Amino acid sequence: EAGVAQSPRYKIIEKRQSVAFWCNPISGHATLYWYQQILGQGPKLLIQFQNNGVVDDSQLPKDRFSAERLKGVDSTLKIQPAKLEDSAVYLCASSSYPSGTAGEQYFGPGTRLTVT
Amino acid sequence: GENVEQHPSTLSVQEGDSAVIKCTYSDSASNYFPWYKQELGKGPQLIIDIRSNVGEKKDQRIAVTLNKTAKHFSLHITETQPEDSAVYFCAASDNQGGKLIFGQGTELSVKP
Repeated sequence: EAGVAQSPRYKIIEKRQSVAFWCNPISGHATLYWYQQILGQGPKLLIQFQNNGVVDDSQLPKDRFSAERLKGVDSTLKIQPAKLEDSAVYLCASSSYPSGTAGEQYFGPGTRLTVT
Repeated sequence: GENVEQHPSTLSVQEGDSAVIKCTYSDSASNYFPWYKQELGKGPQLIIDIRSNVGEKKDQRIAVTLNKTAKHFSLHITETQPEDSAVYFCAASDNQGGKLIFGQGTELSVKP
């Protein structure tokens, strides 16, 4: 079974530029998560989708971050404009468990973003 | 909200020794506790998990124990090997959304 796919793997941008990340979850997984992992820390949830609906975006900096999952499969996360503190690894995870039920989450390899 | 504390932040053991990593959580509603292994440049890999209706779970050289009363859970790795060297994260989740709250991570180094 193919795992969670993410692209690009690495991205370097200047502050105030925009960037987009793409995620393809494991086939059949209805729940998709975006986490931000700052160097030396554990991942922190940015946004959670159930199919194409947002379940939790309470930690998403909505003035600069946006995310969508239009057809309930692939998802994109966008940052515009980027700040230096956005430098981190952006991880996508998917789960077969519906929102409201805790269960296994499988992570992709992540996108390492460097903002200069 | 939930808060997860993880100790130690670094752990160095000799090959063949055991390693223990401990976590505490704050929200008594949490009922699912996974452990992830993260190697350099890779995403976290689920290695074992436990639910709140179970006190212990074992899978070959790794085991996890849960003390609901004390809100503690621990990862035990026996007969460590150099390939066990990585950063390990504990996490806690509840049924209200399913999101994971991660600990700060433990960098395990297994010396040959």
